[in-house]
Amino acid sequence: SQTIHQWPATLVQPVGSPLSLECTVEGTSNPNLYWYRQAAGRGLQLLFYSVGIGQISSEVPQNLSASRPQDRQFILSSKKLLLSDSGFYLCAWSVRPTGLNTEAFFGQGTRLTVV
Amino acid sequence: AQSVTQLDSQVPVFEEAPVELRCNYSSSVSVYLFWYVQYPNQGLQLLLKYLSGSTLVKSINGFEAEFNKSQTSFHLRKPSVHISDTAEYFCAVSDHTQLTFGSGTQLTVLP
Repeated sequence: SQTIHQWPATLVQPVGSPLSLECTVEGTSNPNLYWYRQAAGRGLQLLFYSVGIGQISSEVPQNLSASRPQDRQFILSSKKLLLSDSGFYLCAWSVRPTGLNTEAFFGQGTRLTVV
Repeated sequence: AQSVTQLDSQVPVFEEAPVELRCNYSSSVSVYLFWYVQYPNQGLQLLLKYLSGSTLVKSINGFEAEFNKSQTSFHLRKPSVHISDTAEYFCAVSDHTQLTFGSGTQLTVLP
């Protein structure tokens, strides 16, 4: 069966420090991969999605970047964190080639607090 | 472009009472519709989905949702809620290229 791992579960970082959140998927090949951010009362905001290695689409201009160095690995990064980067970050995957017309499977999330 | 509106951010309800969580969407093309549930500090889990066919879809834990194309709605209902149903519920719509989520509804079941 397929599983998705996301770590760390919680993270407290000072303003201006770098960030690296990692997500890996097991049990499937060539998945679509996604990074979402959840802010209180604002639903889920799609940050990045990837349809293959090295292929990243950015949905929202921001202080973050994403990379997909391997088929089942998706990394969210920042060179210098801002207070506004605080939130709950969720990684997700879905089956290709049907993409988003089928369900997305989510990781357990990372609670990031920038202080 | 597509959008999803969940009109109620908070819904408190007593145990064993019925509940309806509202969801309206807008899209210029045909869509697929989803309800996800999120328990505290966890990721989202799919509750139910409408892809095609019967407009009434049901989950294994007693929730159901009905796709109403004329009203562009996909409301979630349960005839009798339990304490364990306390969670945040997200409606989502896909136009085959992007999954868009609503802002969520916090369902709190009171004893």
